[in-house]
Amino acid sequence: AQKITQTQPGMFVQEKEAVTLDCTYDTSDQSYGLFWYKQPSSGEMIFLIYQGSYDEQNATEGRYSLNFQKARKSANLVISASQLGDSAMYFCAMRGMDSSYKLIFGSGTRLLVRP
Amino acid sequence: SAVISQKPSRDICQRGTSLTIQCQVDSQVTMMFWYRQQPGQSLTLIATANQGSEATYESGFVIDKFPISRPNLTFSTLTVSNMSPEDSSIYLCSVLWTAGGPAEQYFGPGTRLTVT
Repeated sequence: AQKITQTQPGMFVQEKEAVTLDCTYDTSDQSYGLFWYKQPSSGEMIFLIYQGSYDEQNATEGRYSLNFQKARKSANLVISASQLGDSAMYFCAMRGMDSSYKLIFGSGTRLLVRP
Repeated sequence: SAVISQKPSRDICQRGTSLTIQCQVDSQVTMMFWYRQQPGQSLTLIATANQGSEATYESGFVIDKFPISRPNLTFSTLTVSNMSPEDSSIYLCSVLWTAGGPAEQYFGPGTRLTVT
């Protein structure tokens, strides 16, 4: 069975600094996808970044990058130059490459950016 | 990416009643999903809404409680039936988006439901 673990219930970061949110996963699939979503207090889920298990390079999207270490089964999200608007819940999710396309989510990390 | 809207954005309902949530996408999509997020919790998949066939439900969710319709490739509804306070959650619609690259998944803004 697939499982996502986020061990940091809450994190603080100073504005303009970088922060790393941890995510480890467990799967017996050879092919899978990893996602990060941001959920502000409004409740919407905002897609941030995607990493495929066979992608050789770490994914990047603007200030977001994914530190993918396949042997360690980790997919940490790095946010550079934190902004006050980055304060939110962040969820790591995984999808196997079967036809169901369903996402398995971690428990989330609440990030608070301090001015 | 797809633009997804949900109605209502929030509602307060009485125990024993039912609420139907609508999800509209601005483009045709093959797969649509319904997730539930209970207070302070992560997201859990309720079911996959299949166009032209019955929805596929996850373990712990049944059609009598959460009937789903998918009449076309841009629209789906989720009904929460015979509600109890335990159904108070955010309900989120999601779509699978394939545009030449890896299949990404986008979410609607959610429906915040409170059952009293």
